[in-house]
Amino acid sequence: GQNIDQPTEMTATEGAIVQINCTYQTSGFNGLFWYQQHAGEAPTFLSYNVLDGLEEKGRFSSFLSRSKGYSYLLLKELQMKDSASYLCAVEDSNYQLIWGAGTKLIIKP
Amino acid sequence: GAVVSQHPSWVICKSGTSVKIECRSLDFQATTMFWYRQFPKQSLMLMATSNEGSKATYEQGVEKDKFLINHASLTLSTLTVTSAHPEDSSFYICSASRDRGGNEQFFGPGTRLTVL
Repeated sequence: GQNIDQPTEMTATEGAIVQINCTYQTSGFNGLFWYQQHAGEAPTFLSYNVLDGLEEKGRFSSFLSRSKGYSYLLLKELQMKDSASYLCAVEDSNYQLIWGAGTKLIIKP
Repeated sequence: GAVVSQHPSWVICKSGTSVKIECRSLDFQATTMFWYRQFPKQSLMLMATSNEGSKATYEQGVEKDKFLINHASLTLSTLTVTSAHPEDSSFYICSASRDRGGNEQFFGPGTRLTVL
């Protein structure tokens, strides 16, 4: 079956760095997305990785290793507004999205 | 648990026809279902929120007569794109939540609509 695993919840301190991991087993692979979702709001697109390596975009970076079925989202210089759920989603060979359950990130002052 | 399915996975239709997309929560009761539209590598755009047994609430700019939403039961919501046009071609994603606030949403795999 198809499966995406990410931690349920993580806690970090304002100003620090946090890494949210995502492992996947899917029928084929056409790309991996990271979204940020604040409670009651629509998910916001953060990144899209289709090739191995690190993609940096401001305070957020995303890494992909297709051979290991692994990705992480790295958030630097954490701010209180980064408290949200972070969703990992993989596009399979049929271009269907397989969603992780999301990681709730709690930022403490 | 918390699985959401969509049917069909993809559909190609002629301009002017109507297309129905189903969203089902397979192992839980979804008090609230959300319909999103996604263009490539962009954020999901919320189209409407539907609570079981009541009329859907549409976001600004979304035509309720064009995108008909029916949330007939706690496990099924349907989105009908009426008189589809090529500009309606997109990826439609639903999510389901046990609570009315949608604080924890479970997403479906999406339906890719292509209108010729």
